[in-house]
Amino acid sequence: DAGITQSPRHKVTETGTPVTLRCHQTENHRYMYWYRQDPGHGLRLIHYSYGVKDTDKGEVSDGYSVSRSKTEDFLLTLESATSSQTSVYFCATRLGGGHEQYFGPGTRLTVT
Amino acid sequence: QQQVKQSPQSLIVQKGGIPIINCAYENTAFDYFPWYQQFPGKGPALLIAIRPDVSEKKEGRFTISFNKSAKQFSLHIMDSQPGDSATYFCAANPAGGTGNQFYFGTGTSLTVIP
Repeated sequence: DAGITQSPRHKVTETGTPVTLRCHQTENHRYMYWYRQDPGHGLRLIHYSYGVKDTDKGEVSDGYSVSRSKTEDFLLTLESATSSQTSVYFCATRLGGGHEQYFGPGTRLTVT
Repeated sequence: QQQVKQSPQSLIVQKGGIPIINCAYENTAFDYFPWYQQFPGKGPALLIAIRPDVSEKKEGRFTISFNKSAKQFSLHIMDSQPGDSATYFCAANPAGGTGNQFYFGTGTSLTVIP
């Protein structure tokens, strides 16, 4: 493991509430990613970061925002959760200059 | 639109068989093609990867075959074992300005029967 933790690991929330997921890494990797995993869709990129305060959108960014105020933490926020955001969310990191991505254990989010 | 198309969705083989998982892409800017293995309840982990300047890469019982002209690549698992039962994802990463993004296939659930 590349020293990646995600919190919480499981969360149930109601439609319309804000939710923040946290990814923490101890490897000093430059790049961090948030993906969602859904049956039939594989892994889809939500947002990624290429440095502190530097972020960009992925292919399914609507309804999500991110922040990275320090190298080790990357936060994913659902401003107003919807049932379509029920999913398993994975954080990943990548050392700058290399291609390998290291994935965290995932957060299962259920929006009721 | 799925940038990387993966098939089959699921696969069942006997122990010792050679499952083959296929992926296809259209974007010629892709220059790195990894395969990830995921066990239930865990995050994906890199299994093996290839660049388009070679047609085949082997690591232990896992082999990637790459056909640049057809824009296809596949994963072969030799002498498959029950412990190989997992979900496998192919992916692609472009060179250049968008080189930070990775595009994943939809996954193949492999079951190896003892």
